[in-house]
Amino acid sequence: NAGVTQTPKFQVLKTGQSMTLQCAQDMNHNSMYWYRQDPGMGLRLIYYSASEGTTDKGEVPNGYNVSRLNKREFSLRLESAAPSQTSVYFCASNDLTDTQYFGPGTRLTVL
Amino acid sequence: DQQVKQNSPSLSVQEGRISILNCDYTNSMFDYFLWYKKYPAEGPTFLISISSIKDKNEDGRFTVFLNKSAKHLSLHIVPSQPGDSAVYFCAASTGNQFYFGTGTSLTVIP
Repeated sequence: NAGVTQTPKFQVLKTGQSMTLQCAQDMNHNSMYWYRQDPGMGLRLIYYSASEGTTDKGEVPNGYNVSRLNKREFSLRLESAAPSQTSVYFCASNDLTDTQYFGPGTRLTVL
Repeated sequence: DQQVKQNSPSLSVQEGRISILNCDYTNSMFDYFLWYKKYPAEGPTFLISISSIKDKNEDGRFTVFLNKSAKHLSLHIVPSQPGDSAVYFCAASTGNQFYFGTGTSLTVIP
């Protein structure tokens, strides 16, 4: 039981490049989330998926797209990366008690 | 606009003493509150939670207090241990969305 896994752990992009951050959970959770963490800002919700086949915007969705591929996987795509998207990205899923379980994070730098 | 605030970026406490971490929120619709602990280079891990219908929840050394009229949440750690040194985030939810504070870095001095 690996919990929530994220790939890659680290990534460096140039401005304008695209990439997809992958997330998978093996806890059979319905809801999955993508957050970004910036210094002094806490964790901010980018997008979430309440169930397979649905996605909704969070607090800071601009510049991102998501895909809920199946119940296990929820990916985050940056179509044209910008320096403002330099951050640590966390994926999470939650159980029926609303407790969120987080992945280890992806540290992204956009030059 | 920050709906969940942690006004103390850092806190230092002697081992064995009580650590009190505070959190304020603005949205009266929040119905569930959580505390997470985060070590460097790791994702946050769940610590303790409380529903808006309660005012206290206890789990071992950790107790969370909720004062709905003041829109204030606190986490008490007694006794504090060096392994408790980490960043603590409070979070609040309504429906499917979660809002996090900016975190308080706790250092427990041996």
